[in-house]
Amino acid sequence: GAVVSQHPSWVICKSGTSVKIECRSLDFQATTMFWYRQFPKQSLMLMATSNEGSKATYEQGVEKDKFLINHASLTLSTLTVTSAHPEDSSFYICSARARGFPRNEQYFGPGTRLTVT
Amino acid sequence: KQEVTQIPAALSVPEGENLVLNCSFTDSAIYNLQWFRQDPGKGLTSLLLIQSSQREQTSGRLNASLDKSSGRSTLYIAASQPGDSATYLCAVWRASGSRLTFGEGTQLTVNP
Repeated sequence: GAVVSQHPSWVICKSGTSVKIECRSLDFQATTMFWYRQFPKQSLMLMATSNEGSKATYEQGVEKDKFLINHASLTLSTLTVTSAHPEDSSFYICSARARGFPRNEQYFGPGTRLTVT
Repeated sequence: KQEVTQIPAALSVPEGENLVLNCSFTDSAIYNLQWFRQDPGKGLTSLLLIQSSQREQTSGRLNASLDKSSGRSTLYIAASQPGDSATYLCAVWRASGSRLTFGEGTQLTVNP
């Protein structure tokens, strides 16, 4: 099956600093990538959708200046949490839809645990 | 707006038991429905995807059914094992939509 990787798998940063998370589709071209946030014991919350070469579309309530998303190629998307605060601590998961896959299936990365101290 | 509900929220069963997880959705105009498994601290693993034109999909001990008209899907797990312990999420892709809508999940514990 299609594989999506994320790096890093976990990161600890100090309040006020910025953190970049990478999401890669390893064996397919991803026309669309999605970024989710998940709090403990809760389901996934979609933050934004990005298409290769286009600006990301953010969900209501998600600050686009705080969560910068770049989808520069068909295999790489990045999420940068700028000026991180403790309330940004969460589990961030990316997902990708494959170009040419007829079933419209989404593949998910293993997630990145962000802790802001 | 599409809403997805999963019942029960948590389930604990003895090893070997057959079990059913339920998922309901409010808007029957869907493109497909996916069942995922999530282990603690991990990402999502896709288990089964059912297209809107299909009634069921099977993979090993797992069988997922879809009744689009009633807005329901079930995930049947046969002969459960402790390794099946995880949170199971269902998600639907609306026919006119641009993203998956997730349920809150069912946390399954299979006791040895």
